[in-house]
Amino acid sequence: QKEVEQNSGPLSVPEGAIASLNCTYSDRVSQSFFWYRQYSGKSPELIMSIYSNGDKEDGRFTAQLNKASQYVSLLIRDSQPSDSATYLCAVNMLRETSGSRLTFGEGTQLTVNP
Amino acid sequence: DGGITQSPKYLFRKEGQNVTLSCEQNLNHDAMYWYRQDPGQGLRLIYYSQIVNDFQKGDIAEGYSVSREKKESFPLTVTSAQKNPTAFYLCASTETGAHSYGYTFGSGTRLTVV
Repeated sequence: QKEVEQNSGPLSVPEGAIASLNCTYSDRVSQSFFWYRQYSGKSPELIMSIYSNGDKEDGRFTAQLNKASQYVSLLIRDSQPSDSATYLCAVNMLRETSGSRLTFGEGTQLTVNP
Repeated sequence: DGGITQSPKYLFRKEGQNVTLSCEQNLNHDAMYWYRQDPGQGLRLIYYSQIVNDFQKGDIAEGYSVSREKKESFPLTVTSAQKNPTAFYLCASTETGAHSYGYTFGSGTRLTVV
């Protein structure tokens, strides 16, 4: 089982729709969760962080966290073609010998069609 | 402007040659990381350093070496022992402490073997 698993893509939605990106993680004690957006050929850019159960909204983006289910998601409302990118889920995980560090999922590629 | 600078943007390596990728940050971050990304795949951790003069192997350290002589700098050397070095290399940094803020990434170096 992968430590951080994202729903397999690619995901395609029409412009104006809600895009839903999902992520599950294996470490029950993880406390910090992040979503990164990566445009083709570019480096990842942090777009959302979430630390507590529930929803966190920032503009058209909403991150949702459920620690009991070990599940974190990202909703993009009113999707725009400029949202077309790969979205990476990252979870801060404690390692036995080396402290905590981020573990990344493989990413979900999103395409928003005009 | 604070940030992470990676250079060069593109690098070509001949068979049997060692090459060094530069990563410099002026964010005053203690921790720095090197990732490799292959087409259509997620990020794989090569090496990381949480303090000056100390670093640890990540998941795919074979064929790579690093140094951390200054807080601001974390260069990565791709040695001739790395048999398949063609990839996109990303450097990242973060503050250390009880709270995780997520990583800031540089713009990346694209390495190609010729």
